[in-house]
Amino acid sequence: QKEVEQNSGPLSVPEGAIASLNCTYSDRVSQSFFWYRQYSGKSPELIMSIYSNGDKEDGRFTAQLNKASQYVSLLIRDSQPSDSATYLCAVEEYNQGGKLIFGQGTELSVKP
Amino acid sequence: NAGVMQNPRHLVRRRGQEARLRCSPMKGHSHVYWYRQLPEEGLKFMVYLQKENIIDESGMPKERFSAEFPKEGPSILRIQQVVRGDSAAYFCASSPVQGGNSPLHFGNGTRLTVT
Repeated sequence: QKEVEQNSGPLSVPEGAIASLNCTYSDRVSQSFFWYRQYSGKSPELIMSIYSNGDKEDGRFTAQLNKASQYVSLLIRDSQPSDSATYLCAVEEYNQGGKLIFGQGTELSVKP
Repeated sequence: NAGVMQNPRHLVRRRGQEARLRCSPMKGHSHVYWYRQLPEEGLKFMVYLQKENIIDESGMPKERFSAEFPKEGPSILRIQQVVRGDSAAYFCASSPVQGGNSPLHFGNGTRLTVT
């Protein structure tokens, strides 16, 4: 069974700190990886996609991918209270575009 | 440029009734995906449809659930004879093509409550 694992948290960081969210996946042929943010009672919102090994930066967000270790992470710099949400890691099934396997999500709390 | 539209936002049904959830994809998108999020659980894939075709329904429960995406109109997820365990948030996403590094963007969801 293909799996995506995340620490459920909650992860608590002070305002202005770096929040680090981690995710591992079981299917080594996976090629496409995504991070979604979900506020309570709302829909998942795509914040990052990454397809190649290494880092990808977008504003305060950096996604990191290591396919050899089957590991993907999300760093949030200068964390703000508005970043408090659940962060979902999603892995696209190989050759099954649109069919995502989601982790359980990590709850992030940024304290003012 | 409207995103994926889902309605109703909230739906309350008594046990045994039918629930119909609608999803209008983004303009120009012909691929629709339905996902379910049970309370305290992650999002799970249910079904992938193109216009008039079900491509992958491997995540659909074997009974009571069906989906369609007609040539005209929105995609419909239909749940017959609902039970309390069907209470969940149902999300729809669309894309212009399958895969091809085209991330999914989700609609606002329908929150189904079965009483």
